Amino acid sequence: EVHLVESGGGLVQPGGSLRLSCAASGFTVSSNYMTWVRQAPGKGLEWVSTIYGGGDTYYADSVKGRFTISRDNSKNTVYLQMDSLRVEDTAVYYCARDSGGRYYYFDNWGQGALVTVSS
Amino acid sequence: SYELTQPPSVSVSPGQTASITCSGEKLGDTYASWYQQKPGQSPVLVIYQDTERPSGIPERFSGSNSGNTATLTISVAQAMDEADYYCQTWNDTTVLFGRGTQLTVL
Repeated sequence: EVHLVESGGGLVQPGGSLRLSCAASGFTVSSNYMTWVRQAPGKGLEWVSTIYGGGDTYYADSVKGRFTISRDNSKNTVYLQMDSLRVEDTAVYYCARDSGGRYYYFDNWGQGALVTVSS
Repeated sequence: SYELTQPPSVSVSPGQTASITCSGEKLGDTYASWYQQKPGQSPVLVIYQDTERPSGIPERFSGSNSGNTATLTISVAQAMDEADYYCQTWNDTTVLFGRGTQLTVL
């Protein structure tokens, strides 16, 4: 059974950093596209970043240059390093498996990790 | 910039059919997916590649994509279908979500 578990969320001051982890089970992250999606309080879903099976990475303009997606194949885990955090980055961050590859559809989601950026 | 447009809200009576639309200028060139999200829960994929239904999703959920508009149809709507629904597609290497539609069953 496919399972995704996010961790690492919390409260951080503007300008600070945080690293989210997404531990996967039931499949191999290196064989799939893996994506981070966020949802600000009371708002809709927003794509953040994707890492392809081959290692290519892509980012939304709103986080480009500040966030870095990566993975550790030995731990079957995907990460989202978030630097220079802003108040507007406050959101629940979901890790999702893209089963569609370049057709981009997300059939498995984690429970989400809350990131609060506030002074 | 490329956006997907959904109605903010749709209402349907129990047992009737609800349709939620998603408009985007390039939808005819890509596939649409749909997600259901209930309060406090993670999104759930209900339709992918325009018309495909994942295992475990009831048959009353169906999808279509014609021209620049994708449509999620929920036939014989039930109280348990009340949720937010998001359409999603992509443009090159960017993933796009619609702003969501709140479906009310009453």
